[in-house]
Amino acid sequence: DADVTQTPRNRITKTGKRIMLECSQTKGHDRMYWYRQDPGLGLRLIYYSFDVKDINKGEISDGYSVSRQAQAKFSLSLESAIPNQTALYFCATSDPDSRRYNEQFFGPGTRLTVL
Amino acid sequence: DQQVKQNSPSLSVQEGRISILNCDYTNSMFDYFLWYKKYPAEGPTFLISISSIKDKNEDGRFTVFLNKSAKHLSLHIVPSQPGDSAVYFCAARTTGFQKLVFGTGTRLLVSP
Repeated sequence: DADVTQTPRNRITKTGKRIMLECSQTKGHDRMYWYRQDPGLGLRLIYYSFDVKDINKGEISDGYSVSRQAQAKFSLSLESAIPNQTALYFCATSDPDSRRYNEQFFGPGTRLTVL
Repeated sequence: DQQVKQNSPSLSVQEGRISILNCDYTNSMFDYFLWYKKYPAEGPTFLISISSIKDKNEDGRFTVFLNKSAKHLSLHIVPSQPGDSAVYFCAARTTGFQKLVFGTGTRLLVSP
């Protein structure tokens, strides 16, 4: 079983709709992240959470919100989707107390298309 | 302001030859660098890393070199294999934080 799962894997929605992307992890990591990938722009950080009560904006948080429902769950919401939010979205986790504390572990991604 | 740059969007190499992927950075506060590999329809996976106190780290066919004075790092894959065909991202971490800044990626194609 995958350690970091994302649902849905693919989603097509219309401009103005609200959409939620979900991320779950079984790694027991406190830290979770949401990124988006666009062609030619690499991975950019949207939001990150260092524990359930600690949520921080990344470099491109406008138009997005997040919810950390539990240590294992971190959701990303688009309150009113717009076409330039069409992208590949990744969730990631990390554990600052492990030997591999510098690494982030990624989910398989959600491909979102906003028409 | 792109703090981590991968100036080559793509690279084609023949099987058995060396692949060299390059990455430049601008922030002197970066103290740890990582390379991730990404296959289509999958998330990025960690490949190799290097601390800023070292200039080389090797793991099997993969070697990362760091030139701090030039703010440049490179990933060498020797010998290259068709299964290495993927997008490679360079990433950097700032001292005291666990946030990573990623480059734009280089698509490597290794042909038989």
